[in-house]
Amino acid sequence: DVKVTQSSRYLVKRTGEKVFLECVQDMDHENMFWYRQDPGLGLRLIYFSYDVKMKEKGDIPEGYSVSREKKERFSLILESASTNQTSMYLCASSASGRGNEQFFGPGTRLTVL
Amino acid sequence: GQSLEQPSEVTAVEGAIVQMNCTYQTSGFYGLSWYQQHDGGAPTFLSYNALDGLEETGRFSSFLSRSDSYGYLLLQELQMKDSASYFCAVTSGGYQKVTFGTGTKLQVIP
Repeated sequence: DVKVTQSSRYLVKRTGEKVFLECVQDMDHENMFWYRQDPGLGLRLIYFSYDVKMKEKGDIPEGYSVSREKKERFSLILESASTNQTSMYLCASSASGRGNEQFFGPGTRLTVL
Repeated sequence: GQSLEQPSEVTAVEGAIVQMNCTYQTSGFYGLSWYQQHDGGAPTFLSYNALDGLEETGRFSSFLSRSDSYGYLLLQELQMKDSASYFCAVTSGGYQKVTFGTGTKLQVIP
């Protein structure tokens, strides 16, 4: 059974903290994505990666960075968390050439106090 | 950049048919996808259209018109479990970036 896992379902952090969100997929997919989902705004792409050590900015990269040292793992980093980064964060992966069919993890609900 | 428009809410009766529309603006268009998301769950892939026309998968059908930058998802024989949010998403650009719409919340009523 294919799977995308995220390190935490719920996370509470304080303003200014450095936050790491981890995502692991077991499908040997080349492409990995980080989205945030807020009510009424749908899923907004933060960053994506189409290969190890490669990354591309999405639509809202400000305040975030990513790391992809291994094919199966894609990390989202909030260098200095702010309250406006309180959101649901979703990780997804897809096979090369099939960017349309993404498999999503369960999400991490991050609250920044 | 890319932009997509979807109606925010739709209500339909169990057993009926419902159509959810999506219009988009993008460059380097590859195709249009549809995802379903139940409350508290993760989005799951439903369908993908790269070419004009209708694609059918069981009770679900998806349509694309590239010339009109328009697509829709059609659900037949609605069931209560179909109550969910439905997102369209465009794949575009050299790295096949995927951009999602804001979603249509479907409520199925008895």
